[in-house]
Amino acid sequence: EADIYQTPRYLVIGTGKKITLECSQTMGHDKMYWYQQDPGMELHLIHYSYGVNSTEKGDLSSESTVSRIRTEHFPLTLESARPSHTSQYLCASSDPRGNQPQHFGDGTRLSIL
Amino acid sequence: SQQGEEDPQALSIQEGENATMNCSYKTSINNLQWYRQNSGRGLVHLILIRSNEREKHSGRLRVTLDTSKKSSSLLITASRAADTASYFCAGSGGSNYKLTFGKGTLLTVNP
Repeated sequence: EADIYQTPRYLVIGTGKKITLECSQTMGHDKMYWYQQDPGMELHLIHYSYGVNSTEKGDLSSESTVSRIRTEHFPLTLESARPSHTSQYLCASSDPRGNQPQHFGDGTRLSIL
Repeated sequence: SQQGEEDPQALSIQEGENATMNCSYKTSINNLQWYRQNSGRGLVHLILIRSNEREKHSGRLRVTLDTSKKSSSLLITASRAADTASYFCAGSGGSNYKLTFGKGTLLTVNP
């Protein structure tokens, strides 16, 4: 399995709280991604990065923000959590060359009460 | 726009049987990838087939790609209970090779 880690695995928290989901990889990959996945559904890309200081919004609009200060670290932040943010968030990374697979973490299952 | 659409949505078979899942996509791709997701876990990459390839094998997996029909299939031979998972296809397109996922096929292999 790939060396990409997400914390926490599960988070149940009240409305209005600030949340940061952590994602780290030890493969030295330049490309990193955040996906949102509801149960039994497809993954939607919400953010991606091609390297340090590079961040882009994905195909699905999200109120979350990301930062990429170090190659190995790509945290996602929600400034004020709402019940509509309840979902699973998956982080992935890949080699920058074309035609390369993505390596996924085990995800953070987020529940906002 | 959705790049991958799997068929069937759910498939239940007996151990030892073969499982075939199909995927259709809408726009041109650089490659098509298949992933497996066990319940509560992240995705695991299974196989990647480039747009200029027609068939690829990896162990018990066989993937085909028909770019004229914009479709792909994943065959798992001699299935095992441990193959029980959701299987997703994802099309990689454009100059940035971003992936767009389908809704997935839930495969259940009964012992």
